[in-house]
Amino acid sequence: AQSVTQPDIHITVSEGASLELRCNYSYGATPYLFWYVQSPGQGLQLLLKYFSGDTLVQGIKGFEAEFKRSQSSFNLRKPSVHWSDAAEYFCAVGASTGNQFYFGTGTSLTVIP
Amino acid sequence: DTAVSQTPKYLVTQMGNDKSIKCEQNLGHDTMYWYKQDSKKFLKIMFSYNNKELIINETVPNRFSPKSPDKAHLNLHINSLELGDSAVYFCASSQEGTGWETQYFGPGTRLLVL
Repeated sequence: AQSVTQPDIHITVSEGASLELRCNYSYGATPYLFWYVQSPGQGLQLLLKYFSGDTLVQGIKGFEAEFKRSQSSFNLRKPSVHWSDAAEYFCAVGASTGNQFYFGTGTSLTVIP
Repeated sequence: DTAVSQTPKYLVTQMGNDKSIKCEQNLGHDTMYWYKQDSKKFLKIMFSYNNKELIINETVPNRFSPKSPDKAHLNLHINSLELGDSAVYFCASSQEGTGWETQYFGPGTRLLVL
């Protein structure tokens, strides 16, 4: 069965510092991987997605993620965090068979000045 | 124009009442979803409809009943509301619902049952 794990419930970084949010997945076939961001009181917005090809994926707002099959990971990175990046981040995996979409439990990001 | 819209945005009601949440998408997508986000931010899929046909029905109390009058709308009816139903409910849509497509989310409906 598919599952997604986000080991960090909460992360605090200083503005301008680099960021890495971890995501591990469990899936028997090639996964389709996504990162969504949820700002306070808002819905979810897609940051980036990986289906195939280049394992380093660029997204919006300066985010990128790297798919590492050997580690079953799809970590999200940003070289320099802005205060507006404070939000909840969700990793998700889509099933290549059937109609399913699984979310991780989310990582809450706090950015301090 | 809003791609996926939900009404109402906030819903406060008493235990035992029956309420509905409406969802509409203007993206021309074939598949729509309902998710429940609990107080710990965990997102869990409840239902999925493809072209007005139910394709996913997770373990959800039968007090929850989705209704899709057309493929642009997926409404959620909840009967006999309980305290544990308090959560944020998100509607989403995607093109075909194969599992690998981007889902577009509405802004959420914050339900509080007193």
